[in-house]
Amino acid sequence: EAQVTQNPRYLITVTGKKLTVTCSQNMNHEYMSWYRQDPGLGLRQIYYSMNVEVTDKGDVPEGYKVSRKEKRNFPLILESPSPNQTSLYFCASSTLTGGDYGYTFGSGTRLTVV
Amino acid sequence: GNSVTQMEGPVTLSEEAFLTINCTYTATGYPSLFWYVQYPGEGLQLLLKATKADDKGSNKGFEATYRKETTSFHLEKGSVQVSDSAVYFCALSDQGGSEKLVFGKGTKLTVNP
Repeated sequence: EAQVTQNPRYLITVTGKKLTVTCSQNMNHEYMSWYRQDPGLGLRQIYYSMNVEVTDKGDVPEGYKVSRKEKRNFPLILESPSPNQTSLYFCASSTLTGGDYGYTFGSGTRLTVV
Repeated sequence: GNSVTQMEGPVTLSEEAFLTINCTYTATGYPSLFWYVQYPGEGLQLLLKATKADDKGSNKGFEATYRKETTSFHLEKGSVQVSDSAVYFCALSDQGGSEKLVFGKGTKLTVNP
């Protein structure tokens, strides 16, 4: 089954404790992206990657890092999480012409930073 | 920059009612337009899309027409069901080279039996 898999689904952590949210896709998609979803703000792009070793900032990259060492994986790293990073996070992937073919989204990771 | 504005919710309807969720956009060039649906506890799923002016996207009884003259992409369904209860997002493709999707803030729909 074609899918984007995120782990974990739920995470509660403390301020400053480094964490990684994993994202993996099995569709051989070149393009991958991370979004956060907040009430009243909709979805905002954090980082994206056009292919292996090619990453770039989205609209809200502060406090996040990403890497793309393999085509299928695109982890999101929070080096020192803060409470304002409490949010619902989605990973998505698409073919390189993603604007026309749409994204496939993961099921989301609900992160709480206390 | 590119942006999407969709009607604020929540929207509450009775089963079999007619649904319209308004969406307008601001964009340079000719973006593709999308509607995504998010069911409770799940990720977003592509509902329908349109890639050029006057295209009509349709799926599961939902329709939306790409209107360049009014920069709109309103979502409609003639008879909603309880199972349509979800959050609906309008989005456009940012064709500035980043392949980014720009989303509206979402409209929550609740359909009562």
